[in-house]
Amino acid sequence: EAQVTQNPRYLITVTGKKLTVTCSQNMNHEYMSWYRQDPGLGLRQIYYSMNVEVTDKGDVPEGYKVSRKEKRNFPLILESPSPNQTSLYFCASSPTLEGWGTDTQYFGPGTRLTVL
Amino acid sequence: QKEVEQDPGPLSVPEGAIVSLNCTYSNSAFQYFMWYRQYSRKGPELLMYTYSSGNKEDGRFTAQVDKSSKYISLFIRDSQPSDSATYLCASAQNAGGTSYGKLTFGQGTILTVHP
Repeated sequence: EAQVTQNPRYLITVTGKKLTVTCSQNMNHEYMSWYRQDPGLGLRQIYYSMNVEVTDKGDVPEGYKVSRKEKRNFPLILESPSPNQTSLYFCASSPTLEGWGTDTQYFGPGTRLTVL
Repeated sequence: QKEVEQDPGPLSVPEGAIVSLNCTYSNSAFQYFMWYRQYSRKGPELLMYTYSSGNKEDGRFTAQVDKSSKYISLFIRDSQPSDSATYLCASAQNAGGTSYGKLTFGQGTILTVHP
């Protein structure tokens, strides 16, 4: 089954404790992206990756890191989480950017992160 | 100013009504315009997309883009309770744009269709 998986789905942590949210897709997609969703603000892109070893900042990259060492995985790293990073996070993938407009853009199920 | 603005609603309509959802954008480099639907506790799913200006129709849904006024619309005909969800508009630049690959969303509109 074609899917984007995220782990963990729920996480409660404390300020300053490094964490990684994993994202994996099994569709050999080139493009992957991370978003955060907050009430009243919609989805905001954190980082995106056009392909292996190619990453770029979205609208809200501060406090986050990513890496794309292999095509299927795109982990989101919070080196020193703070309470303002409490949010719902989504990972997404599509075959290429030309896949924007097709039905082949997949979102993961989301990770709800709480930073105390 | 956000590059894509969307009225968050909420919007409540009776079953069978025509629903109009709208966004405005400010970046003239945007060429891709998408609408996503998000059910509660789920990830967004792509509903409609338009490249550049014009209309696109898919069943009960019509997406419209007016680049001259930087206005994006989604119309839902004969709305059903199952259409109750959050609808998000999004825009992106074409290949060659300075931010190709970056996807910018509106705030989302919460829609409820009541029987």
